[in-house]
Amino acid sequence: KQEVTQIPAALSVPEGENLVLNCSFTDSAIYNLQWFRQDPGKGLTSLLLIQSSQREQTSGRLNASLDKSSGRSTLYIAASQPGDSATYLCAVSPRGSTLGRLYFGRGTQLTVWP
Amino acid sequence: SAVISQKPSRDICQRGTSLTIQCQVDSQVTMMFWYRQQPGQSLTLIATANQGSEATYESGFVIDKFPISRPNLTFSTLTVSNMSPEDSSIYLCSVRGRSGSETQYFGPGTRLLVL
Repeated sequence: KQEVTQIPAALSVPEGENLVLNCSFTDSAIYNLQWFRQDPGKGLTSLLLIQSSQREQTSGRLNASLDKSSGRSTLYIAASQPGDSATYLCAVSPRGSTLGRLYFGRGTQLTVWP
Repeated sequence: SAVISQKPSRDICQRGTSLTIQCQVDSQVTMMFWYRQQPGQSLTLIATANQGSEATYESGFVIDKFPISRPNLTFSTLTVSNMSPEDSSIYLCSVRGRSGSETQYFGPGTRLLVL
């Protein structure tokens, strides 16, 4: 069974810092990996999706990388802002499984203070 | 993209009762997914709901406890039956994007507290 681990569990930084959030997974046979943001009362918002054949994806200040062979992904947040405060979740879609069946990590709770 | 709404947004229930959660999507989708997020835990898939067929449950989840309906391509319900405090969680409905997209979309969740 796929296990997804996220480090650190929580992170508190001043505004403007560049951040790296880590995600690891035990089975490299995946369709894709997604990073989500979870805000209280608002469900999950998809930030980036990386196909298994890709190495990275970028959206604005966010960059996600994928090293499938080592079972690792990182989410890089540049020039963090207080509005980035949320819980960031990593999820993988296992190959051979129905797309949409995702395995999640417990998340990294990020606080960016002014 | 897909816009998903859920009802209720939160509820407080008594032990032994049941609660039905509704999920409405703004477009037709083949599969809908129900996840649970217990306090301090990661999201866990409960079941996959296909229109016109029985839902497929993950290991550890059974139809008697979590019956699901899928009457059409835009709507589904999840019932949490005979509730106990261990059922206190956030329940989320999810769909994939349109054909060709693998992005996953989630509803705002239903926060359930069982006393």
